[in-house]
Amino acid sequence: DADVTQTPRNRITKTGKRIMLECSQTKGHDRMYWYRQDPGLGLRLIYYSFDVKDINKGEISDGYSVSRQAQAKFSLSLESAIPNQTALYFCATSGALEAEQYFGPGTRLTVT
Amino acid sequence: AQKVTQAQTEISVVEKEDVTLDCVYETRDTTYYLFWYKQPPSGELVFLIRRNSFDEQNEISGRYSWNFQKSTSSFNFTITASQVVDSAVYFCALSGFISGTYKYIFGTGTRLKVLA
Repeated sequence: DADVTQTPRNRITKTGKRIMLECSQTKGHDRMYWYRQDPGLGLRLIYYSFDVKDINKGEISDGYSVSRQAQAKFSLSLESAIPNQTALYFCATSGALEAEQYFGPGTRLTVT
Repeated sequence: AQKVTQAQTEISVVEKEDVTLDCVYETRDTTYYLFWYKQPPSGELVFLIRRNSFDEQNEISGRYSWNFQKSTSSFNFTITASQVVDSAVYFCALSGFISGTYKYIFGTGTRLKVLA
């Protein structure tokens, strides 16, 4: 089984809808991250969490919110989706700040 | 500000050629970490290597090698005798704290195409 799972893997939604992307990890790591990937822009950090009680905004947090339900679960919400939030979203986890990150398979989100 | 530049958007080579992917970074931190990740056509991101700012040793792993030079703020990645399976997008990344804020900055990636 994969160490980091994301659901759904693909989602098409309409402008204005609320949507939640979920991430679970079995690596026992405290640190979890949400990124979005856009063509030609690489990955950009949306939110990160160093433990269940510590959540921080990343580079591009506007329009997004997160919830850390447990050590293993970190959800990303779009309260009112807009077309420029169409992207590939990745969840990741790491055992330490300086350590490598382990990524989920990604969620392809399309907002029409 | 922290920044990672991968100036090569796309590179095409013929199988068995050597290829170097460039990564130039900017940071005012003295403690930072550099990474390379691979994103094959299937889409997942795979960790390749990590270096901290105090460790300028080059590293070789099979056909892969990395050259870290603080003097030029570069962390280049060379694939020797490339294979079709090396075709992927490769990302360089930089992490560290800036004024108490954690940053994890990815470059825009280099798409490598290895032709049979």
